[in-house]
Amino acid sequence: NAGVMQNPRHLVRRRGQEARLRCSPMKGHSHVYWYRQLPEEGLKFMVYLQKENIIDESGMPKERFSAEFPKEGPSILRIQQVVRGDSAAYFCASSQQGPPETQYFGPGTRLLVL
Amino acid sequence: QKEVEQNSGPLSVPEGAIASLNCTYSDRGSQSFFWYRQYSGKSPELIMSIYSNGDKEDGRFTAQLNKASQYVSLHIRDSQPSDSATYLCAVIAGGSQGNLIFGKGTKLSVKP
Repeated sequence: NAGVMQNPRHLVRRRGQEARLRCSPMKGHSHVYWYRQLPEEGLKFMVYLQKENIIDESGMPKERFSAEFPKEGPSILRIQQVVRGDSAAYFCASSQQGPPETQYFGPGTRLLVL
Repeated sequence: QKEVEQNSGPLSVPEGAIASLNCTYSDRGSQSFFWYRQYSGKSPELIMSIYSNGDKEDGRFTAQLNKASQYVSLHIRDSQPSDSATYLCAVIAGGSQGNLIFGKGTKLSVKP
């Protein structure tokens, strides 16, 4: 049973470009969470989605960041006009049911902004 | 601001000893508690979940929860060098939609 899949694993962007991070949840899981881990910092929640719905985006920066989880296909975290401060590891987690179900993490996408 | 606090370490223990990791949380309404292990450059891996006061054992790992003291701990028996990692305490806060609030982690080093 494949785990949570994320791609790309590493992404390099120049300032001002767009970054698109993809997450495919575990089979049978319909709840997706995105977290960001800045260097030497803890994991911070960004957004919680179910298919076609954003449940909680309280951790998302107000500008440049957006997320979606369409009916078909992976969840996408999109960062427009990236800045150096966006350099971080972005992790996606999924759960079968909603909270307090255990969340299983993908391998992450390491974003580097030059 | 709902917070989860952990001693950053590093915590160093000899091989075969018990490693004890501690965590406190600020939100008294929290109901669900998790311990994740994260190796350097890797993603968090679930070790234990605990929801009720008391102890929960799984192999060499024992989690303890004390809601009155807002305290959760993880004990690793017969520590191995392969247990060397950062251990993350995570909480689902009361009234939240279910997102995890993480501590910054305790770095454990098991010396052969």
